[in-house]
Amino acid sequence: EIVLTQFPATLSLSPGERATLSCRATQSVSDNYIAWYQQKPGQSPRLLIYGASSRATGIPDRFSGSGSGTDFTLTVSRLEPEDFAMYYCQQYDRSQITFGQGTRLDIK
Amino acid sequence: DVQLVESGGGLVQPGRSLRLSCAASGFPSGDYAVTWVRQAPGEGLEWVGYIRSEAKGGTAEYGAPVKDRFRISRDDSKSVAYLHMSSLKIEDTGVYYCSIEDIWGQGTKVTVSS
Repeated sequence: EIVLTQFPATLSLSPGERATLSCRATQSVSDNYIAWYQQKPGQSPRLLIYGASSRATGIPDRFSGSGSGTDFTLTVSRLEPEDFAMYYCQQYDRSQITFGQGTRLDIK
Repeated sequence: DVQLVESGGGLVQPGRSLRLSCAASGFPSGDYAVTWVRQAPGEGLEWVGYIRSEAKGGTAEYGAPVKDRFRISRDDSKSVAYLHMSSLKIEDTGVYYCSIEDIWGQGTKVTVSS
């Protein structure tokens, strides 16, 4: 099973700042089968990025994904108040799908 | 509207069984795999399993914690997928979500307690 480690666990930033969230896999993720999700309290997860760098439908272009192999990054270029939430990476390379433990993006 | 609606959650005793449903509307759900994900209280997301479309064999894969206890099935004539849960454990408590591509349901809460 591919284990995903997200860091930092918590990121405290102010609106307007740039956020960089990381996700590291224990094995190379082929074809960059990495997705990023946003989840707010009491809500279902929302797909932001798939294929490591493709934005899902309706996702603002301030969200971008990058990386390959074992290291992946989600970047939010200029934080809006509604961006403060939990973020999870997911690999769907193998038949056993796994999630990272999440990064909490807090308002500073 | 394109949506998924889960149902069937509730309070159940350890060792008992429960069946969750995921009803799709507004799109041809039979063309897609259906994934189940759960979230224990205050915890992160955990993949439960998925079932492929019938065109891709209709087979299912499961996460290690639920393998041999949970089973996913689908009835594309009704646009519904099911999560059959048996031998339930306290640690199966949580909100269960179904998803298809980028569409997620609102979740249904399962509490396993005596």
